[in-house]
Amino acid sequence: EIVMTQSPATLSVSPGERATLSCRASQSVSSNLAWYQQKPGQAPRLLIYAASTRATGIPARFSGSGSGTEFSLTISSLQSEDSAIYYCQQYNNWPSMYTFGQGTKLEIK
Amino acid sequence: EVQLLESGGGLIQPGGSLRLSCAASGFAFSTYAMSWVRQAPGKGLEWVSVISNNGGSTYYTGSVKGRFTISRDNSKNTLYLQMNSLRAEDTAVYYCAKHLGAVAAPGDYWGQGTLVTVSS
Repeated sequence: EIVMTQSPATLSVSPGERATLSCRASQSVSSNLAWYQQKPGQAPRLLIYAASTRATGIPARFSGSGSGTEFSLTISSLQSEDSAIYYCQQYNNWPSMYTFGQGTKLEIK
Repeated sequence: EVQLLESGGGLIQPGGSLRLSCAASGFAFSTYAMSWVRQAPGKGLEWVSVISNNGGSTYYTGSVKGRFTISRDNSKNTLYLQMNSLRAEDTAVYYCAKHLGAVAAPGDYWGQGTLVTVSS
């Protein structure tokens, strides 16, 4: 089973600044990595797939990078609406598992 | 507009059964793989099961194998999850998700979820 580890658990950043969230896989997942945003009481929303491709309608200030075992999600020019929990997910090791990370809670100061 | 509407959740006793449904609209349902993903109260996301576009391939996470069955009716644009022998640890919000493409792809649209509570 591939384990996805996200860091930090919580991140507090001021509006207008940049936030960088990390995700590490216990073994290579190539570029088969997605990022989701989830706000309280809402369903997850796909932000990034294939490690760096923005999903439909996602603003350009969201960007993803990485391959193999190390990935990051960068959100530039943070806005209050970006306050949420962000999850990474690997879909390389299918069909046995589509593993999610434990999430990073992003707080806007 | 893609819409996914889950139903069928509720309170069920341990050992009981429940069938969840996910009504899809706004896209060519029979073209895409679909998944169920769950989220226990206050916890993270856990993938549960996936089904290929034609229903010919199904896969499950280990903890539900032999107890849950995923299926789809492409003529009704509906996804199902039959859940048997329910346990307290199955308590969660269950989301259906449309895959971006085939089975090996992330979910690009999600429903709002249906809550399943397993308790006596």
